[in-house]
Amino acid sequence: DSGVTQTPKHLITATGQRVTLRCSPRSGDLSVYWYQQSLDQGLQFLIQYYNGEERAKGNILERFSAQQFPDLHSELNLSSLELGDSALYFCASSVEAGTGYEKLFFGSGTQLSVL
Amino acid sequence: DAKTTQPNSMESNEEEPVHLPCNHSTISGTDYIHWYRQLPSQGPEYVIHGLTSNVNNRMASLAIAEDRKSSTLILHRATLRDAAVYYCILRNNNAGNMLTFGGGTRLMVKP
Repeated sequence: DSGVTQTPKHLITATGQRVTLRCSPRSGDLSVYWYQQSLDQGLQFLIQYYNGEERAKGNILERFSAQQFPDLHSELNLSSLELGDSALYFCASSVEAGTGYEKLFFGSGTQLSVL
Repeated sequence: DAKTTQPNSMESNEEEPVHLPCNHSTISGTDYIHWYRQLPSQGPEYVIHGLTSNVNNRMASLAIAEDRKSSTLILHRATLRDAAVYYCILRNNNAGNMLTFGGGTRLMVKP
């Protein structure tokens, strides 16, 4: 158990809909990272938050947004869903903003299926 | 970002040592070498990391070449539970630097 909690584990929805994925980081971790894993693209970094502020942005679509709340949990919002958004979404956390030596701890993911 | 090159797949027998290679010829002086693995249907899991010296922990050993242009993850006795995709990742010391995953090496362990 990594200590990172993601809910829900599975989500099935239709095209055009909007969903929210939730992540609770490990106790004491200030940084949260979101990743998308699809069969053809592998693990892709989406966005990072540190102590409530956006810290780094990767290949995140404009239809997607995220935020980190004062209690440090994070939510990833996906809107106007398309079939291609079907993927595993992982959240990870770390203590600091992203120094070269620190470890990331990953949750078990949310499997999103868009039908 | 400095890139890494790993074989797509490797096979090992159970209870034998496994050496997983990684080439990173454009590594910079401040890049840490990280290894993560992803077991089937799970999130990635930290294995080990190092900067210049060889490192050991309860999961594995990391051997880093003297010129740091390559490294090897060593699993001393492979078990069936070690079957996973292993990712070699360079991580800079700049704040906000996330993990950038490549294709990794799929390790298959035969009983």
